[in-house]
Amino acid sequence: AQRVTQPEKLLSVFKGAPVELKCNYSYSGSPELFWYVQYSRQRLQLLLRHISRESIKGFTADLNKGETSFHLKKPFAQEEDSAMYYCALSGVGGFKTIFGAGTRLFVKA
Amino acid sequence: DTEVTQTPKHLVMGMTNKKSLKCEQHMGHRAMYWYKQKAKKPPELMFVYSYEKLSINESVPSRFSPECPNSSLLNLHLHALQPEDSALYLCASSQDGTVNTDTQYFGPGTRLTVL
Repeated sequence: AQRVTQPEKLLSVFKGAPVELKCNYSYSGSPELFWYVQYSRQRLQLLLRHISRESIKGFTADLNKGETSFHLKKPFAQEEDSAMYYCALSGVGGFKTIFGAGTRLFVKA
Repeated sequence: DTEVTQTPKHLVMGMTNKKSLKCEQHMGHRAMYWYKQKAKKPPELMFVYSYEKLSINESVPSRFSPECPNSSLLNLHLHALQPEDSALYLCASSQDGTVNTDTQYFGPGTRLTVL
């Protein structure tokens, strides 16, 4: 069965510390993976997607097919990074998107 | 206009009421989605429309009835809902109407309370 797992509900780090939000997926096809972010009082929005291989707001994510992972990383966390982060798997059975449970990141001053 | 808009922002309804949620986008996107999001949970896909045709119905109860009158508009008609249907209902759209490998653009949601 297709599944996205984010093992941490809450991640708390100090400002300037590295941060890694974990995401593992289960899918037999070719995955299309995304990280979406929801800042306080804002709508859910794309942070980055694996196909574009970009760095957005200092975040990067590498698709590791061997480990079926798509972890989100940032070398130096900022307070404005505090938000809810969702890993998502798209293209399952056509248009289906599966979201992970989400990780709330809290960056302390 | 590069946003997905949703109306109303909040809706309170009784179990015998009939109401509708509305979603609109003018980005020329050809796929539109309805999600349900309960508190502290991720969005759960309900319906997908591709080129104004229903592409996915995730076994949603018939008291939820989607409608896509044109490429810019998506409605969700509600009838005889239950209190457990109270949630945030999110609309999203994506450019490609043939596959879901595109970025989805989300609306702000409608907060629904069923009494």
